[in-house]
Amino acid sequence: GDSVTQMEGPVTLSEEAFLTINCTYTATGYPSLFWYVQYPGEGLQLLLKATKADDKGSNKGFEATYRKETTSFHLEKGSVQVSDSAVYFCALSDSSYKLIFGSGTRLLVRP
Amino acid sequence: DTAVSQTPKYLVTQMGNDKSIKCEQNLGHDTMYWYKQDSKKFLKIMFSYNNKELIINETVPNRFSPKSPDKAHLNLHINSLELGDSAVYFCASSQDARGQETQYFGPGTRLLVL
Repeated sequence: GDSVTQMEGPVTLSEEAFLTINCTYTATGYPSLFWYVQYPGEGLQLLLKATKADDKGSNKGFEATYRKETTSFHLEKGSVQVSDSAVYFCALSDSSYKLIFGSGTRLLVRP
Repeated sequence: DTAVSQTPKYLVTQMGNDKSIKCEQNLGHDTMYWYKQDSKKFLKIMFSYNNKELIINETVPNRFSPKSPDKAHLNLHINSLELGDSAVYFCASSQDARGQETQYFGPGTRLLVL
């Protein structure tokens, strides 16, 4: 079945460092791809999404490009802030319209 | 105004009890969901309703029964609670059931079964 694999955490960075969180997927058909973020003690919020190959989603300085050839949707940010500390989830919506999540990657940004 | 709200926020109960979690959305969405997040943060869908009709029913014990009295509400009733039911339960909603639609999540209900 469809699945999402993302890099193990935690990822610890200093403020203003460059961030990459890797995400790859396995799916039949053409899924939509998402990054959701969960701040401590809160529910998930959509960070960005892409619905077709080569689309780039972006929001709050974060970006991810839907790469069909490598089945990837890596999350990047040029300069992280302490306030970006959270758990980041990569997800895809499969042919039955379910959201399938990766295992989450915890990001800790130190001042 | 909270878009997706859940009650209660915390629930501590004994094994064997029956409990309910309520969810309401004021976004006018047609589709609602229940997810379970375990202690390792792994998130898995349990159920989904579209216009009050059940459309997704994952492999969930039949002790879990969702009920949607109207499009704005999706409640989750759990019978005979077990230790393994301890988790955070999230409700979510989306405009419709199409895969590319954004899902909006509630704040979660932290259930602890003793």
